[in-house]
Amino acid sequence: EDQVTQSPEALRLQEGESSSLNCSYTVSGLRGLFWYRQDPGKGPEFLFTLYSAGEEKEKERLKATLTKKESFLHITAPKPEDSATYLCAVQHNNAGNMLTFGGGTRLMVKP
Amino acid sequence: EAGVAQSPRYKIIEKRQSVAFWCNPISGHATLYWYQQILGQGPKLLIQFQNNGVVDDSQLPKDRFSAERLKGVDSTLKIQPAKLEDSAVYLCASGLLALEQFFGPGTRLTVL
Repeated sequence: EDQVTQSPEALRLQEGESSSLNCSYTVSGLRGLFWYRQDPGKGPEFLFTLYSAGEEKEKERLKATLTKKESFLHITAPKPEDSATYLCAVQHNNAGNMLTFGGGTRLMVKP
Repeated sequence: EAGVAQSPRYKIIEKRQSVAFWCNPISGHATLYWYQQILGQGPKLLIQFQNNGVVDDSQLPKDRFSAERLKGVDSTLKIQPAKLEDSAVYLCASGLLALEQFFGPGTRLTVL
């Protein structure tokens, strides 16, 4: 059974204080690892898909990396508007398009 | 491009009552998903449709939950009868084959 664990559960940063969120996964045959951002009262918003170990993707202050066991979402010089819950999910290569989500990391960036 | 639409946005019912949620996916997306997200947790897949056929409903509590996607476009998710533990946000998502999924705003259900 696919398992996804995110840490920390919550993270408080000062504006400009860079940090990383972790997503550890166990899946026999990874098709893709997805990162989403979710604001309160809204549905998850797609950020990145990573397909193979060593792959990196960037978008503004965010950079996602992938190894065979985990993925990191690096946030460089965060701003208050980066405050949200960040979700990662894995897609198994034999499970159709099903996503298995982790519990998320609630990020709060204070000015 | 219009996103995934869901209604209602909020619903409050008493236990043992019935409730239905509606989803209109992004135009042209053949795949549609229903997820349940309990407060503080990540979304959990309930059912996946490909056009109007069910691909995966292994995590759908079939004794009380049902879903349909007539004509391969809109979808409805029904709970009958509701239990307290069904209180959650119900998210609909759509996508193209194995690519990223796009989520709607969700319906927040409170069962009293």
